[in-house]
Amino acid sequence: DTAVSQTPKYLVTQMGNDKSIKCEQNLGHDTMYWYKQDSKKFLKIMFSYNNKELIINETVPNRFSPKSPDKAHLNLHINSLELGDSAVYFCASSLGQMNSPLHFGNGTRLTVT
Amino acid sequence: AQSVTQLGSHVSVSEGALVLLRCNYSSSVPPYLFWYVQYPNQGLQLLLKYTTGATLVKGINGFEAEFKKSETSFHLTKPSAHMSDAAEYFCAVRGHGSSNTGKLIFGQGTTLQVKP
Repeated sequence: DTAVSQTPKYLVTQMGNDKSIKCEQNLGHDTMYWYKQDSKKFLKIMFSYNNKELIINETVPNRFSPKSPDKAHLNLHINSLELGDSAVYFCASSLGQMNSPLHFGNGTRLTVT
Repeated sequence: AQSVTQLGSHVSVSEGALVLLRCNYSSSVPPYLFWYVQYPNQGLQLLLKYTTGATLVKGINGFEAEFKKSETSFHLTKPSAHMSDAAEYFCAVRGHGSSNTGKLIFGQGTTLQVKP
C-alpha cells in the first residue's frame, strides 16, 4: 500500500526518558513534516524537511530533534520527556509545491507519566 | 502570514440534513485552501482543495466547498448527512510563494455530530 506509516502507534513512557518516533513514506514525495496535535485537537507544525534539508523549524524545545536520513524517512527523537509532551504526533509528506496537499500518517499517541 | 478560523467548534445535524461547516481565512497572498477529515484514532484525510480556477470544488464523500475571495471564506457543505460523516473536520491554508516556506496552517477544527 502506498502510504505514510509511522511507528509506534502508541508510546507510554515516564518523565525524563528519551524516545523516538519513526516515519516512512512511499509516495515519492520530497517533503516531510511533523505536526503535534494537542488534547484540544489543535494541529501545529513542528518541523519540515525538503530533500533531507530542514526548511521549517518552529518554536519547539530543542529536546525535540528531527532526523531525515533520506527523502522517504523522517524520524523524531525526544530527549528528557516532560508531561506536557503528551500529545498525538503526526508525520506527513507532500510534493514541494505549495498547491500539493499533505498526506498524513495515522499518528503516534505519546503519553508521558 | 496566514490564519484560519472555523466558526463553531461543534456542529450537530440530523441524518439527511444539510451539512455546513464554516471556514474563514486570512492571507496576505493568494491562498491555497484545503479541507481535511479526521476519524477517531486516525490521521487526516484530504476531502478537497482549492488552488486556482473554479471556485466551487468537489471532493470525496459528496462534500464540496466554495472559495469566496470577497468574503475570505471556504465553507464546506454536503447536501445530505450520513451517520458515517461524524468526524472532526479541519480547514487549512497555505500561501502562494509565501515566506512561510510551505507551512500548512490549520483551523481549530469542527466536530460534526450526526443524529439518527
